[in-house]
Amino acid sequence: KNEVEQSPQNLTAQEGEFITINCSYSVGISALHWLQQHPGGGIVSLFMLSSGKKKHGRLIATINIQEKHSSLHITASHPRDSAVYICAGNYGGSQGNLIFGKGTKLSVKP
Amino acid sequence: NAGVTQTPKFQVLKTGQSMTLQCAQDMNHEYMSWYRQDPGMGLRLIHYSVGAGITDQGEVPNGYNVSRSTTEDFPLRLLSAAPSQTSVYFCASRAFWYGYTFGSGTRLTVV
Repeated sequence: KNEVEQSPQNLTAQEGEFITINCSYSVGISALHWLQQHPGGGIVSLFMLSSGKKKHGRLIATINIQEKHSSLHITASHPRDSAVYICAGNYGGSQGNLIFGKGTKLSVKP
Repeated sequence: NAGVTQTPKFQVLKTGQSMTLQCAQDMNHEYMSWYRQDPGMGLRLIHYSVGAGITDQGEVPNGYNVSRSTTEDFPLRLLSAAPSQTSVYFCASRAFWYGYTFGSGTRLTVV
């Protein structure tokens, strides 16, 4: 069965801390996505990865194909980063089924 | 504004009723998809389409029907609503080498 697992499930941090969220997946994904779901419910795509590392502002996403593992890092965290972060993998080709992790709820305290 | 538009935002149905959730995008994306989000289950793919006239089933297709007659529109039909279909529904589109653009969601309650 194609699976995507995230850890931790919940994460509380102090403003300014460096944050890491982990994602492991089973064989066969063609692309890995990181999504952010705001407290109001909207979902935003942060990164799409098939190899290596991507950076956007204070967010960094990495993927290790051999270890079937991806990480999302947030540097200098801020209360506005509080959201649910979701990892998802494309199985069956880059346009195929998207399988989601259950999400990591991040709360950043001032 | 460019993006994915979902309607309605909220809907209450009685068991057995049918309805259509609308999804439209103006970015000329080939790929469109529908998801449901339930507490403790996360997001799950219902149906997807890789272009006009082409649709396929996702993880949880039962009770739902889709068609894709144009690039822009991808409606989701509930044939006979059941309480188990109470959920938040998201539509998304995607160009081939890019990430997903999600609609704002539809909160559906079936009583």
